Amino acid sequence: SSELTQDPAVSVALGQTVRITCQGDILRNSYASWYQQKPGQAPVLVIYGENNRPSGIPDRFSGSNSGNTASLTITGAQAEDEADYYCNSRDSSGNHFVFGTGTEVTVL
Amino acid sequence: QITLKESGPTLVKPTQTLTLTCTFSGFSLSTSGVGVGWIRQPPGKALKWLALIFWNEDKSYSPSLKSRLTITKDTSKNQVILTMTNMDPVDTATYYCAHRRVTMIRGLPGDYFEYWGQGTPVTVSS
Repeated sequence: SSELTQDPAVSVALGQTVRITCQGDILRNSYASWYQQKPGQAPVLVIYGENNRPSGIPDRFSGSNSGNTASLTITGAQAEDEADYYCNSRDSSGNHFVFGTGTEVTVL
Repeated sequence: QITLKESGPTLVKPTQTLTLTCTFSGFSLSTSGVGVGWIRQPPGKALKWLALIFWNEDKSYSPSLKSRLTITKDTSKNQVILTMTNMDPVDTATYYCAHRRVTMIRGLPGDYFEYWGQGTPVTVSS
């Protein structure tokens, strides 16, 4: 299967830690990237590769990978982290790309 | 500074062909490893990858839409063009183009879309 599955929604208290997961067999052969999308805005890359943050992304965002699961962790969540988050990776053919189903993060 | 911007019609009729242009700056699509992809997002729904063109002219399409998509590049104009035939109301979405790179980690690829355009909304309606 070339699907990437995410929990539809998670909530986190302000200042606490939340982990968002992305599951799919294709993650055994490629690394996921993670995107944050706020309403009405284009997605923003927050994590890529093993655990790399683009310039300007706060270090409270981190990534990890294990088997068929990629995870995005927000340590000390802030109100501005409230957004939809999507994972992305190559599919099993290696020639196509797949986005996850998306996770809505609410900061309480 | 890398920027991308999508342009095209905001309204198309069913069965028509959609042509979208991604005009970019700050990089060259003839540089090894670079690609430009198209992604769309129907209202209230998830992102969906559509197509990607690589620096070496290789092209890749979403299997579910392959028969309807064509992606081309004009390196001299710094543009990537996506055409989608036989448009249907279900194709109503915001269409994004994005700059793709890849990093290799212990032999496995880690692709990422680092820069995105602002997106262009397309409505399919008669």
